[in-house]
Amino acid sequence: AQSVTQLGSHVSVSEGALVLLRCNYSSSVPPYLFWYVQYPNQGLQLLLKYTTGATLVKGINGFEAEFKKSETSFHLTKPSAHMSDAAEYFCAVSGVTGGGNKLTFGTGTQLKVEL
Amino acid sequence: DTAVSQTPKYLVTQMGNDKSIKCEQNLGHDTMYWYKQDSKKFLKIMFSYNNKELIINETVPNRFSPKSPDKAHLNLHINSLELGDSAVYFCASSPRSGGGGELFFGEGSRLTVL
Repeated sequence: AQSVTQLGSHVSVSEGALVLLRCNYSSSVPPYLFWYVQYPNQGLQLLLKYTTGATLVKGINGFEAEFKKSETSFHLTKPSAHMSDAAEYFCAVSGVTGGGNKLTFGTGTQLKVEL
Repeated sequence: DTAVSQTPKYLVTQMGNDKSIKCEQNLGHDTMYWYKQDSKKFLKIMFSYNNKELIINETVPNRFSPKSPDKAHLNLHINSLELGDSAVYFCASSPRSGGGGELFFGEGSRLTVL
């Protein structure tokens, strides 16, 4: 079975500071990895995804993530936090089960951005 | 022009009632899903349909019954509602059923059972 673990359910940063949200995965096959963002009372929006190829993946809103197989990690970063980045962030891994594509999500990290 | 739309957005009902949530996608995708998000924000897959065929059925009580009349629609009917069914239910779609496809989510339907 595939799974992801997000370290830190709450992360707080100052505006302009580096954002680092941690995600480690467990998978017996090459994983497909995703980061989603959820703003209050909204659905999930894809930030970025890793399937194959380049291990540094750039997403929307200035976010990027690096796939590190040796560390089984897919941490999300952004050089400079903005107030509008405050939201819940989910890491997810894709696996095929019974012929279906199944995204398994981590428990989420709430990002707070302070002035 | 919403890609994945769910109705209703909010639903408040009494224990024991039966309710339905509807979902439609206009992205032309073949695969649709229902996910449940609990009060701690944990997201868990419930069902997945590929071109009207059920392909994923997680351990969900029989009181939950999905129906897909065509590949653009996936509805969720819940019988005999219980307090523990209170959650946000998300519909999603994906262009393919194989691994690696991203999911496109609706805005969620918040169900409150009193």
